[in-house]
Amino acid sequence: KQEVTQIPAALSVPEGENLVLNCSFTDSAIYNLQWFRQDPGKGLTSLLLIQSSQREQTSGRLNASLDKSSGRSTLYIAASQPGDSATYLCAVNDYKLSFGAGTTVTVRA
Amino acid sequence: DAGVTQSPTHLIKTRGQQVTLRCSPKSGHDTVSWYQQALGQGPQFIFQYYEEEERQRGNFPDRFSGHQFPNYSSELNVNALLLGDSALYLCASSLALLNSDTQYFGPGTRLTVL
Repeated sequence: KQEVTQIPAALSVPEGENLVLNCSFTDSAIYNLQWFRQDPGKGLTSLLLIQSSQREQTSGRLNASLDKSSGRSTLYIAASQPGDSATYLCAVNDYKLSFGAGTTVTVRA
Repeated sequence: DAGVTQSPTHLIKTRGQQVTLRCSPKSGHDTVSWYQQALGQGPQFIFQYYEEEERQRGNFPDRFSGHQFPNYSSELNVNALLLGDSALYLCASSLALLNSDTQYFGPGTRLTVL
């Protein structure tokens, strides 16, 4: 059974600081890994998708890495802004999505 | 191009009642998955429908059932509601031929069971 863990559970940083969010998973037999953003009470917005054959994916200020052999992914958000405040979820796709519990980020102005 | 839509947005029911939630997938998608997200937790996979059949199921009791229609839209039914069924129910759509593709999520239905 796939287990996905996200550390830390919550993070508070001043504006401009870089964010590092961690995700680990137990079964490396995955198609891909996705990072999502969720605002309070809302649905999920896909940020980045990394295929199992890829090591890294970038979009604007966001960069995600994947080390399938060690079961780890990291999401980097450069130069954080108050608008980045949200919960960030990682999910591994092994035919269905298995999610971590998320990291709640607060960026202080 | 319409994304994934869900209805209703919010729903309040009492224990023991039955509820039906609806989902329309993104245009061109043929697979619909349903997830339950309790407060403060990540979404949990309920089941997935493709070609009007349940293809995969998570660890949810038989009170949770679903249906997919020929136009690929889907319903989630929950019978004999419990207080613990209160959650945000999310629908996601994808293309079966592209297991490596992203899943697109709807805005969710907030179910409150009193």
